Amino acid sequence: EADIYQTPRYLVIGTGKKITLECSQTMGHDKMYWYQQDPGMELHLIHYSYGVNSTEKGDLSSESTVSRIRTEHFPLTLESARPSHTSQYLCASSEAGTGGKEQYFGPGTRLTVT
Amino acid sequence: QKEVEQDPGPLSVPEGAIVSLNCTYSNSAFQYFMWYRQYSRKGPELLMYTYSSGNKEDGRFTAQVDKSSKYISLFIRDSQPSDSATYLCAMREAAGNKLTFGGGTRVLVKP
Repeated sequence: EADIYQTPRYLVIGTGKKITLECSQTMGHDKMYWYQQDPGMELHLIHYSYGVNSTEKGDLSSESTVSRIRTEHFPLTLESARPSHTSQYLCASSEAGTGGKEQYFGPGTRLTVT
Repeated sequence: QKEVEQDPGPLSVPEGAIVSLNCTYSNSAFQYFMWYRQYSRKGPELLMYTYSSGNKEDGRFTAQVDKSSKYISLFIRDSQPSDSATYLCAMREAAGNKLTFGGGTRVLVKP
C-alpha cells in the first residue's frame, strides 16, 4: 500500500544531541516537504525538495538540514538539539506537476528537547 | 498580519448539524484552495481542493471560494462525532509550489 512514513513518532532527547527524523514514501513522488507545527498553530514550511539532490529552505528559518539521495527518502537532521526545537515535524510529498496541490502527509514526529 | 486567517475555535455543534468553516486571505495571487482535516496526533489529510472561484461538493462536504472577497468556506452536512478534528485551510499561487496554511479550526461534534 502506497503511503508516507515517519519515524520515530515520539522522541524525547536532551539538549545538544544530534538527531535525525526519518521520512519515507512509497508513492514515487518527486516532491517532498518538511513542516513544523506547534500546538494550535499553522504549519510552517522549513525544507522542500523537487527531486534527488535538490533541496531548498522554506519560509521558516530552521537550524535543521535535509538531504535527498533517494527519491523515497527525505531525512531531517538537527546537529545540536535545543529546547526551542520542541515541536511537531510533519513530512509530506506530492507528484511532480501538481505543484504541491495535493500534498500527502505522514503521521508526524513529536519532538521534545529537555 | 498573517496571509491566511482562520478562527481557531473550538466550534462545538450537536450531531447532525451543519458545520461552517471559513478562511480569509490577503494574497490575491492565490489560485488553488484546499481543506485538510487533522485528527489529534496525526498528519493532515486532504479533504477538498478547488481552483479559482466556485463551489465543489463531495459527499457531505462542500467547498466554496469567493476570490472577490478573498474568502473560502467549508460546509459539513449531517455532522458526525467522527468529524471532530482540526480543519486547516491551505492555498497557493498558480505558479508556486508552496502551500500557505491557516492556523486551523478545532471542531467538536457532540453526540
